[in-house]
Amino acid sequence: EVQLVESGGGLVKPGGSLRLSCAASGFTFSSYSMNWVRQAPGKGLEWVSSISSSSSYIYYADSVKGRFTISRDNAKNSLYLQMNSLRAEDTAVYYCARDFDTGYWGQGTLVTVSS
Amino acid sequence: DIQMTQSPSSLSASVGDRVTITCRASQGISNYLAWYQQKPGKVPKLLIYAASTLQSGVPSRFSGSGSGTDFTLTISSLQPEDVATYYCQKYNSAPPFTFGPGTKVDIK
Repeated sequence: EVQLVESGGGLVKPGGSLRLSCAASGFTFSSYSMNWVRQAPGKGLEWVSSISSSSSYIYYADSVKGRFTISRDNAKNSLYLQMNSLRAEDTAVYYCARDFDTGYWGQGTLVTVSS
Repeated sequence: DIQMTQSPSSLSASVGDRVTITCRASQGISNYLAWYQQKPGKVPKLLIYAASTLQSGVPSRFSGSGSGTDFTLTISSLQPEDVATYYCQKYNSAPPFTFGPGTKVDIK
């Protein structure tokens, strides 16, 4: 069974940093591209970042470019999102998702940026 | 960047009604279009991928069509459990993998 479990969310002050993790199981992690998607409270879904299976291709939404870094460790079956210079508008539930045409998403982790 | 729009932004229909939601891409995206259903407090659920392929386990009352720039999600007979917000998303073409703004569906 495919499982994606996010962790690392929490309360952080504006300008602070946080590192999200996504532990994957039930599939050959190293064979799939992975994604981060977020949803601010009461708002719609926003694609954040994607990384190819071997980390050769990395993409970011303009809203996070230069502040967030996506990475993966295929030996540990894990996906990461390093978030720096956090702003109030980054407050959201962050989901990790496998390739978008398979429907595998984690349960999400809440990031709150507030003083 | 390619923009995704949806219409209507919300709708109210009776149980058993046929419901259609439209998604439009600002440029052609072939058939790289997915539809999701999200209920409050829940993870988005993939309904349709490749514009018209029904995800395993999704009821057959859901269907998708379209290619290029214009796409539709149809619920052939609306059920109470279909109350949710529906999102389209372009994927697999060049990033960003943008979501539409969503369509909120409820029961009249």
